Amino acid sequence: DGGITQSPKYLFRKEGQNVTLSCEQNLNHDAMYWYRQDPGQGLRLIYYSQIVNDFQKGDIAEGYSVSREKKESFPLTVTSAQKNPTAFYLCASSIPRLKGDYGYTFGSGTRLTVV
Amino acid sequence: DQQVKQNSPSLSVQEGRISILNCDYTNSMFDYFLWYKKYPAEGPTFLISISSIKDKNEDGRFTVFLNKSAKHLSLHIVPSQPGDSAVYFCAAMLVDEKLTFGTGTRLTIIP
Repeated sequence: DGGITQSPKYLFRKEGQNVTLSCEQNLNHDAMYWYRQDPGQGLRLIYYSQIVNDFQKGDIAEGYSVSREKKESFPLTVTSAQKNPTAFYLCASSIPRLKGDYGYTFGSGTRLTVV
Repeated sequence: DQQVKQNSPSLSVQEGRISILNCDYTNSMFDYFLWYKKYPAEGPTFLISISSIKDKNEDGRFTVFLNKSAKHLSLHIVPSQPGDSAVYFCAAMLVDEKLTFGTGTRLTIIP
């Protein structure tokens, strides 16, 4: 079955440490996205990538970094510069609208807690 | 600046009745709109979408209505079922294909 795999599902980090969240897709989608969900604030875009080796900042990119070395993978690093990293992180992928019915496919998320 | 707004954080509906979830947007350049359903600790799943050239799209129990002049869309679920209890997000897209999400509405179906 095609889909998006995020790992781990739960992650604990000490303050001052960097941590990397994994996102892998086997849907052959070109574009990939990282969102953050906080209570009462919906989903906010952190970074996105529309092709390999290229990515752009979203609305709340400060304190985060990404890479897109392979089409299938889009890891997100939460750095120590991120002031409030505790949140639920969602990865998504999509095909261009011209290729058919449009919509994002989401992974099951990673809950990051800073302790 | 919240470009997509869901002003009702929560909604309770009796099983079998109609659920109506509302969404307002401010950017008239949005040309594609989607609704997602989300259970706790899971990723959102796509429900239904509508292009700005249409005013209605229907898929089974789900219908989305778009009123461009009012910059308003709504999701109707008829009849509502217990499994519909979840958080519903509306989302809007510009030509760059990034989605902007609303803050969500928690729907509770009362048996």
